[in-house]
Amino acid sequence: AQSVTQPDIHITVSEGASLELRCNYSYGATPYLFWYVQSPGQGLQLLLKYFSGDTLVQGIKGFEAEFKRSQSSFNLRKPSVHWSDAAEYFCAVGPYNQGGKLIFGQGTELSVKP
Amino acid sequence: EAQVTQNPRYLITVTGKKLTVTCSQNMNHEYMSWYRQDPGLGLRQIYYSMNVEVTDKGDVPEGYKVSRKEKRNFPLILESPSPNQTSLYFCASSFVGQASGANVLTFGAGSRLTVL
Repeated sequence: AQSVTQPDIHITVSEGASLELRCNYSYGATPYLFWYVQSPGQGLQLLLKYFSGDTLVQGIKGFEAEFKRSQSSFNLRKPSVHWSDAAEYFCAVGPYNQGGKLIFGQGTELSVKP
Repeated sequence: EAQVTQNPRYLITVTGKKLTVTCSQNMNHEYMSWYRQDPGLGLRQIYYSMNVEVTDKGDVPEGYKVSRKEKRNFPLILESPSPNQTSLYFCASSFVGQASGANVLTFGAGSRLTVL
């Protein structure tokens, strides 16, 4: 079955600390992987995506993610978290070139301590 | 400005009273989709459309209808809403195929629906 698992429902980090959000997927074909962020009361915004090539991808707002095929993972990282990063983060997987038929994970809520 | 517009943003209704949530995009996207977001469950796809007059069920289609008569519009219809349809709904759209940005969903701001 195709699925995305985000093991951490809620994470709290101190401002300035590093961040890693975990994402594991199960997908039968070559995956097209995404991270989206949802700020309170807002829709989802794309942070970054990966289909092929360099397994370390850079996104907006200083985020990056690393694709590890052997571990079926696509973890999101940021070296230094800012208070404005507090939001909910969603990992998603889908087929390439077939529109946005994505499977989303359950989401990880990030809180940032001053 | 390129965007997906949903209306209404907030709605409280009663069981059985038909309602429609509209969705419109101005990016000439072929693909449109509806998701519902519930705590602990992430986003689950209700229906999607690959182009005009082409729609298909997602993972949780029961109790919903959609239509795609025009490329820009993709309304979500709840014929007889029930309390278990209380949720946050998102419409999203994207290109399909080799177009730049294919598969990258642009989301609306969401519609919070409460069914009493």
